[in-house]
Amino acid sequence: QVKLQQSGAELVKPGASVKLSCKTSGYTFSTSYMSWFKQIPGQSIEWIGMIYAGDGGTGYNQKFKGKATLTVDTSSSTAYMDLSSLTTEDSAVYFCARTGMDAWGQGASVTVSS
Amino acid sequence: DIVMTQAPLSVSVTPGESASISCRSSKSLLSSKGITSLYWYLQRPGKSPQLLIYRMSNLASGVPDRFSGSGSETDFTLKISKVETEDVGVYYCGHRLEYPFTFGSGTKLEIK
Repeated sequence: QVKLQQSGAELVKPGASVKLSCKTSGYTFSTSYMSWFKQIPGQSIEWIGMIYAGDGGTGYNQKFKGKATLTVDTSSSTAYMDLSSLTTEDSAVYFCARTGMDAWGQGASVTVSS
Repeated sequence: DIVMTQAPLSVSVTPGESASISCRSSKSLLSSKGITSLYWYLQRPGKSPQLLIYRMSNLASGVPDRFSGSGSETDFTLKISKVETEDVGVYYCGHRLEYPFTFGSGTKLEIK
């Protein structure tokens, strides 16, 4: 079955960067899209951007340009999201979801604190 | 950005009764290909969102047919018939018409 397994919780200092992963199985990763989302607990969902695994082409929410960078490794069927220059406002749960958003990762908590 | 407005903020339902959730978009979600790009999701407590309805009225795989979606180009409704305890959570509408994809603020469904 389709699975999206995200990396674990992160505790990072302000100004640092973090790289989240989303390892997939059960479908053809190399011809699919992956979207990433941000959710602050108790709040709604924000779409960060998406990447096409076939050629690495990306589309971003303007709000997250310069903050998030999406990449893929087709050899391991894994998608990545780099978050840079972290501030407390980046503290949230981040989700990945494949094409169609019919399968989601379990979420990864990022806490930015000194 | 397209603004998605949901109502009500919360709804309390007796098991076996029906519930309806509304969603309005600030722009027509009808694409040039004739697809209405409106989606419904359920996020159960502590879990990831789950796709319920795609393209306004199509039931996602594995979703009970107690769920149904309808609407026009800008006004949409999710109906849950015969609500069960497992339906508890926050329901979100969202669009994929153009970047950025956006979501409503959510409707919390509780059981009486």
